[in-house]
Amino acid sequence: DTQMTQSPSSLSASVGDRVTITCRASQGISNYLAWYQQKPGKVPELLIYAASTLQSGVPSRFSGSGSGTDFTLTISSLQPEDVATYYCQKYNNGAPRFTFGPGTKVDIK
Amino acid sequence: EVQLLESGGGLVQPGGSLRLSCTASGFTFSSSAMTWVRQAPGKGLEWVSTISASGGSTYYSDSVKGRFTFSRDNSQNTLYLQMNSLTSEDTAVYFCAKGHLTTTSYCAFDVWGQGTLVTVSS
Repeated sequence: DTQMTQSPSSLSASVGDRVTITCRASQGISNYLAWYQQKPGKVPELLIYAASTLQSGVPSRFSGSGSGTDFTLTISSLQPEDVATYYCQKYNNGAPRFTFGPGTKVDIK
Repeated sequence: EVQLLESGGGLVQPGGSLRLSCTASGFTFSSSAMTWVRQAPGKGLEWVSTISASGGSTYYSDSVKGRFTFSRDNSQNTLYLQMNSLTSEDTAVYFCAKGHLTTTSYCAFDVWGQGTLVTVSS
């Protein structure tokens, strides 16, 4: 089975900082990788799909990259409204099919 | 406006059953794969099950396989998750979510409902 890991599990950064979150798959998943943002008490929202395609309406400070087993989510300039937990998720046809990573909690320093 | 509305959550005893529903509006329901994702209190997201647009294919996580049944009624724009043999490990908010592509079941989830809480406790 393909496992998804994320690092770090949490981070604290200042407004305006560049923030990078890493997601790793235990087996290659091509670019079948999505990123979600879940703000406290809210429903998850899709940020990025196909590893690097920005979902409509998502601010351009968010970007994604990677393919195969290693992926990154970057926030180019952290804003107060970006406080949230970020999850990666695989969705390729490989068991298990739609696994989420454990999440990365982002706070403002 | 694209909307998903879950219902059917509540308190159930261990070993009991519950059926969740999710009603969709604002998009061509019969063209989209649909999914249930759950989130235990204070925990991360866990994929539960996905159903293809036609309903002909279903996929389950190992943690619910054999206990949960996912179905859909495309004439009523409604999803159903029949949950049997419930344990405390199934306590969570259950979200239904829409696939972001219409050509495949293997896609991300671009619209989520508000969720319905299932509590399994005696």
